[in-house]
Amino acid sequence: GQNIDQPTEMTATEGAIVQINCTYQTSGFNGLFWYQQHAGEAPTFLSYNVLDGLEEKGRFSSFLSRSKGYSYLLLKELQMKDSASYLCAVPDTDKLIFGTGTRLQVFP
Amino acid sequence: NAGVTQTPKFRVLKTGQSMTLLCAQDMNHEYMYWYRQDPGMGLRLIHYSVGEGTTAKGEVPDGYNVSRLKKQNFLLGLESAAPSQTSVYFCATTGTSPLNEQFFGPGTRLTVL
Repeated sequence: GQNIDQPTEMTATEGAIVQINCTYQTSGFNGLFWYQQHAGEAPTFLSYNVLDGLEEKGRFSSFLSRSKGYSYLLLKELQMKDSASYLCAVPDTDKLIFGTGTRLQVFP
Repeated sequence: NAGVTQTPKFRVLKTGQSMTLLCAQDMNHEYMYWYRQDPGMGLRLIHYSVGEGTTAKGEVPDGYNVSRLKKQNFLLGLESAAPSQTSVYFCATTGTSPLNEQFFGPGTRLTVL
C-alpha cells in the first residue's frame, strides 16, 4: 500500500521562499505528483517527478529523492495568489493516492 | 472545448433521498475518477473507471454506485443519502495512462440534511 505524509499548514511572507515537504512509503514507485488547489476550486497539476533531482518551472521547483522516499515543492518569490493547498500524490496501479495536503497562507 | 464538467454544482438532499452526479469530458480520456474531499481528509477516491464499460472501487466506495456506459460520461449515484455523505465531490480524468496529469471538474457541493 501507499502512505503519504505532509505538514497540515504553513505560513510565509510575500516575497519569501517556502519549502513544502512530502514523505511517502510505497510498494512500488512510479513517480510523484504535486497539485495546487485554491480554496473553493478544483486541484490543478503542478509537476510530476520520476527521477531524482530538482526540476524547475518558473517560480516553482519540485525535488525528488527516491532512496529517501522524499519530495519537496519549492516556491520562490511568494505572491499572495500562492495562498492555496498543495497536494502531493503517488500512483498506485490505475489511480493516484493523495496526501491530505498542506495549506499555505502567504501574508503581506 | 469544455474540458471536464460536473452537474449539478450544488445540491441539498434529505436523508434517504437519492441522486446522480454527472461528470462529462470532451477530452477523449480513458480514465475517469470520482473523489470526495472533506476538511482535513484530502482527496479520497470513491470509484474509478479505466475505460468505457468498466468500473472499480476506490478507497471509500460504500454508499455509492457508478456507471460508465459512454466513454465521455461517468455517473456517481447515491441510492439513500446519509449526512456522512455531505462533502465536495470532484470528478477527474486522465488520458491513456494513470501516470498522466489528472484534469479535474469544478466540483459538486452536496449537503445531506
